[in-house]
Amino acid sequence: DAGVIQSPRHEVTEMGQEVTLRCKPISGHNSLFWYRQTMMRGLELLIYFNNNVPIDDSGMPEDRFSAKMPNASFSTLKIQPSEPRDSAVYFCASSLEGAYNEQFFGPGTRLTVL
Amino acid sequence: KNEVEQSPQNLTAQEGEFITINCSYSVGISALHWLQQHPGGGIVSLFMLSSGKKKHGRLIATINIQEKHSSLHITASHPRDSAVYICAVSIMEYGNKLVFGAGTILRVKS
Repeated sequence: DAGVIQSPRHEVTEMGQEVTLRCKPISGHNSLFWYRQTMMRGLELLIYFNNNVPIDDSGMPEDRFSAKMPNASFSTLKIQPSEPRDSAVYFCASSLEGAYNEQFFGPGTRLTVL
Repeated sequence: KNEVEQSPQNLTAQEGEFITINCSYSVGISALHWLQQHPGGGIVSLFMLSSGKKKHGRLIATINIQEKHSSLHITASHPRDSAVYICAVSIMEYGNKLVFGAGTILRVKS
């Protein structure tokens, strides 16, 4: 299995532009998580889905952030408009549903907003 | 106060030393995870525990549910063990949502 796939790996954009991050979970996994990592705040959960349905989006910073999971093999995290404070590494992870299952992380997308 | 506290924040060891990283949490949990992150690299799950002890190679993880405490031990440490080690918990009321500690930066010198 290829593991969790994220694209792009690096993204540099200008303030005000729309940014879309993509994630393909491991086949058969039915939970998907979006995390953000910064030096100041460490790792934080933004949103997670079970069976393509958003379960907890309390970590989404504001309305500029949105996430979708149209099917079991694809999810997007969109930032519109982007701001310099959104610069971070964004990780996607997947697992089988339930608290007792290991999460597998993708390689991350390093986002820089100028 | 953070729900998950790790200590130490930074740790430097000589190759071959026995290393312990600690994690304390203040809430009821379903499971505790130890993660490893190499510089510039991705995140790898090392262990998931809900009780007792697990061992994988030179790594050992223990958890004491009553004391709300877990430790990650590395025996015969090696420079390739240099990484950030992150403790995370699944909180009982939150399903599989993870809450993370701040991480311990480990450097093993040869």
